[in-house]
Amino acid sequence: ELKVEQNPLFLSMQEGKNYTIYCNYSTTSDRLYWYRQDPGKSLESLFVLLSNGAVKQEGRLMASLDTKARLSTLHITAAVHDLSATYFCAVDYNTDKLIFGTGTRLQVFP
Amino acid sequence: NAGVMQNPRHLVRRRGQEARLRCSPMKGHSHVYWYRQLPEEGLKFMVYLQKENIIDESGMPKERFSAEFPKEGPSILRIQQVVRGDSAAYFCASSPGRGAGTDTQYFGPGTRLTVL
Repeated sequence: ELKVEQNPLFLSMQEGKNYTIYCNYSTTSDRLYWYRQDPGKSLESLFVLLSNGAVKQEGRLMASLDTKARLSTLHITAAVHDLSATYFCAVDYNTDKLIFGTGTRLQVFP
Repeated sequence: NAGVMQNPRHLVRRRGQEARLRCSPMKGHSHVYWYRQLPEEGLKFMVYLQKENIIDESGMPKERFSAEFPKEGPSILRIQQVVRGDSAAYFCASSPGRGAGTDTQYFGPGTRLTVL
């Protein structure tokens, strides 16, 4: 069964701190995506990771992919309140449909 | 370049009525996907369509749900005889398709269906 699991499910962190969200998936895949969703809104594409060892950075967010471990991480550096949202990873198993993780709800407080 | 368009944004139906959700993909995109998001959950794949073809409907409930993407006009997700359990946010996404240089699916704003 195709499974994508994220942890933690909830993350409350102080501004200025660093933290990492983990995304594990069950079967070999060649594409992994990170999306952001604000409450009541749609999904915003953050990163597309296409190969083992891929690392991408945008502002305070950095995503990486280890296909051998079937693991992707989303690292947050020096968090700010504007990063508060729910973050989803999603895996494409070469079937053109995305399998989404459970989501990590991030809250950044002063 | 307009993004993925969905309408209506909010839809209220009584049990037993029909719901029609519309999705216009981004310009130049010929692949459309529908996902459903229940409250406090992730998105679940429903169906993948190209113009006039259903490519993968493995996530569609066997009854009451149907989808189409005609040659002209938007993609339609149709839910007949809605029940309370159909209440959810329905997202449409589009992509150019493999081989077009990008694989990212771009999501529309969603239609939030409430069944009374």
